[in-house]
Amino acid sequence: DQQVKQNSPSLSVQEGRISILNCDYTNSMFDYFLWYKKYPAEGPTFLISISSIKDKNEDGRFTVFLNKSAKHLSLHIVPSQPGDSAVYFCAASVRAGKSTFGDGTTLTVKP
Amino acid sequence: SQTIHQWPATLVQPVGSPLSLECTVEGTSNPNLYWYRQAAGRGLQLLFYSVGIGQISSEVPQNLSASRPQDRQFILSSKKLLLSDSGFYLCAWSPGGGAGELFFGEGSRLTVL
Repeated sequence: DQQVKQNSPSLSVQEGRISILNCDYTNSMFDYFLWYKKYPAEGPTFLISISSIKDKNEDGRFTVFLNKSAKHLSLHIVPSQPGDSAVYFCAASVRAGKSTFGDGTTLTVKP
Repeated sequence: SQTIHQWPATLVQPVGSPLSLECTVEGTSNPNLYWYRQAAGRGLQLLFYSVGIGQISSEVPQNLSASRPQDRQFILSSKKLLLSDSGFYLCAWSPGGGAGELFFGEGSRLTVL
């Protein structure tokens, strides 16, 4: 049973437009959510996180939204840049403990 | 600042041979340490995690084992590799006490032939 799901394996957007990456989870005990960015042949790097006591967290061009009732979170990148092209992983944990990862979404930003 | 290194970066091994991947963290004390595996086109599967020296928790039954002989050293091993052990292995650390974010190493690509 996959507890964290990223249902879109890939997403393609034009430079300057908004990228929206989605993530769903099934475990209602999850209370801390993270997004990571990964380039090929490298380890993932932490991007942004959100606690379940919030519904939005912003960091520059990146905003994460959390809808607890729907068990859904999304990452918005505005404006998208070609350097944002990477695989994005959603992760969730209980009390900031071990993280469970989704399968990732490959984002391609076209110039 | 904290750094994490894992090696080797790439490894090609025959079926039945042993494996040893090593990971070290610098610039922090008492980190939580993790081994993840990424199969092709899939997410990151947690294999082992450790909250202290000699303390190893296994997440999935498998052909692999882990050891933490020192506070900032984490080793992934196998006595006999299987074809299904091929993948991209990632070591990661987080601050002791559970700050949430993971800091990953560069990864090790293992191909078992």
